[in-house]
Amino acid sequence: KAGVTQTPRYLIKTRGQQVTLSCSPISGHRSVSWYQQTPGQGLQFLFEYFSETQRNKGNFPGRFSGRQFSNSRSEMNVSTLELGDSALYLCASSFRGNTEAFFGQGTRLTVV
Amino acid sequence: QKEVEQNSGPLSVPEGAIASLNCTYSDRVSQSFFWYRQYSGKSPELIMSIYSNGDKEDGRFTAQLNKASQYVSLLIRDSQPSDSATYLCAVNRDSNGGFKTIFGAGTRLFVKA
Repeated sequence: KAGVTQTPRYLIKTRGQQVTLSCSPISGHRSVSWYQQTPGQGLQFLFEYFSETQRNKGNFPGRFSGRQFSNSRSEMNVSTLELGDSALYLCASSFRGNTEAFFGQGTRLTVV
Repeated sequence: QKEVEQNSGPLSVPEGAIASLNCTYSDRVSQSFFWYRQYSGKSPELIMSIYSNGDKEDGRFTAQLNKASQYVSLLIRDSQPSDSATYLCAVNRDSNGGFKTIFGAGTRLFVKA
């Protein structure tokens, strides 16, 4: 069974630009969560989606947003990029949100 | 106080020994607990899940949960050099009608051959 797929794997953007990352969950999984991982802060929760609804949001500014489609695929968007947004962005899918979650390979974003 | 706390390590054990990794959490209503392994430059990989008090064994891995003490641990028996990685404790709880998983900062484990 296919795992969680994130695209693109790598991105280089300039300050002020915006970026959209994509996540395709495991088939049958309806919950998708997004995380930001940096060496200094570890894995930080961004938001969780279930059946196209954002159920939870972490402590990130409004520049970070996301959505989920009817096929459970999810996207996250970061607008007005800052240097500090450089990180590995990970998504994880699970069946319900409180069951085992599996991560994609991540998107490494570099803001220059 | 962080929601999920782990000793950052590094924890160094000889090959064949038992590695013991610990985690405490602050929110008593947490219900689901997970251990992930992350190799450098890779994404986290799920090792174990545990939902009720007691021990849960899977091969060389044993997860232990004590909700009264708000404590989760992972034991790795017969440690191998390939077990050298960062181990992340994750705690899941109900939040706003959905669920939220909070990760600890991770414990770096080195297994010496």
